This record gives sequence, structure tokens and C-alpha cells, in this order.
Amino acid sequence: SQELEQSPQSLIVQEGKNLTINCTSSKTLYGLYWYKQKYGEGLIFLMMLQKGGEEKSHEKITAKLDEKKQQSSLHITASQPSHAGIYLCGARRQDKLSFGAGTTVTVRA
Amino acid sequence: DTGVSQDPRHKITKRGQNVTFRCDPISEHNRLYWYRQTLGQGPEFLTYFQNEAQLEKSRLLSDRFSAERPKGSFSTLEIQRTEQGDSAMYLCASSPGSGNGYTFGSGTRLTVV
Repeated sequence: SQELEQSPQSLIVQEGKNLTINCTSSKTLYGLYWYKQKYGEGLIFLMMLQKGGEEKSHEKITAKLDEKKQQSSLHITASQPSHAGIYLCGARRQDKLSFGAGTTVTVRA
Repeated sequence: DTGVSQDPRHKITKRGQNVTFRCDPISEHNRLYWYRQTLGQGPEFLTYFQNEAQLEKSRLLSDRFSAERPKGSFSTLEIQRTEQGDSAMYLCASSPGSGNGYTFGSGTRLTVV
């Protein structure tokens, strides 16, 4: 089984609606990264969380880290077509990142 | 600073051929990482360098794979005697140091036919 589990695996959201993606680790989290990937392309950095309880926002995307639960969530408010893609969480392990399998987001007009 | 560059973007090769990919990191980043990503999965760690030293290699990196970073700047990843199972996206990332963020390139998509 993977160290990082993302849920849901995929989701379809109506444009303008909110969505939440979860990332749960089987190990203690020391640093949690969120990336976005368009199909067939590289990873675009979204946010990095390092402290328990930390919350960061950029435009309409908010990410939180619950260190006790070994979990992070990514929330998108009022989704737009530009939010479509694959969202990946990565945990820092001994100077490198270990990733979840990703959540595919589809935004319907 | 133009980010992390990877070349080529796409490579189609016949089974049994050798292929080499190049990665140019952000110039001031001393760490360079290689990952492999297959469809529907997250990137899997292959190896990483600090300057010219290769510090860690994953068990995924079979003896057909070799990576170098001769002058501590760009890196190459070579796959010898390619197999169909090598078909994947190969991603390169660089970092200025531990926990300070990882910037990814656009990847090289390899198709072995």
C-alpha cells in the first residue's frame, strides 16, 4: 500500500462549486507539498506546509495540515475550468518527496 | 532563471535501444532529482544528486539505468536496452536544499515500441 493515500481518486464538480481533496499519511508528516499537473506535463508547485495546524491560501486554493491526524486537505472555492487537472500531495522523506497517486479533478461548465 | 528544463519532451524508441535524457536544473540549486511516473500514479523517486555526488538510488533503478551529474550542473539519465515497461514520464526536479521546495521540469515522455 502507498504511504500517502489521496481521496477521492477523481471527482467531477460543477463550475462555481467548491471541492476538497484529502491526503492521509501512514507516517509522521514533516513537510507536505501540493502540486498540480496537467495531463502529460510537469508538476506545478501550489503550496508547502510544514507546521501542524498551518493553513495557506493562494487565490481560491486553501491547504491545511493536521499533523496529529497525519493529514492534509486542499480546498478550492468556486471552481473554474482552469482548476481542472491532477492534484498530487507529496511528503518530504529524508530530503526527497514521496507522492500519493493523485486526484483527477474535472470541472463541468 | 528559466526553471528546470528537460530534453527531449518526447522520445519514441524501439525495444532494446538505448536512450538518454537531459535535465538542466535551476542554476543555484545544488540538489537534482529524477522521478518516474506511469499513468494514473504519482511520481516515484529514482535517484538524487547533491552537486555532483549521487547520494541515493531507488531499488527501482535497475542496472540498465544510470544517471550522472558530472559538473554538478546538468544531469543525464540513460536507459540501456529499453523494455516496454520503461514507457513512462521521466521527471526531473531541483531544490536549493533540504525542505526548501522542489521545482519540477516538464518531463520527458518515453514510449518504447
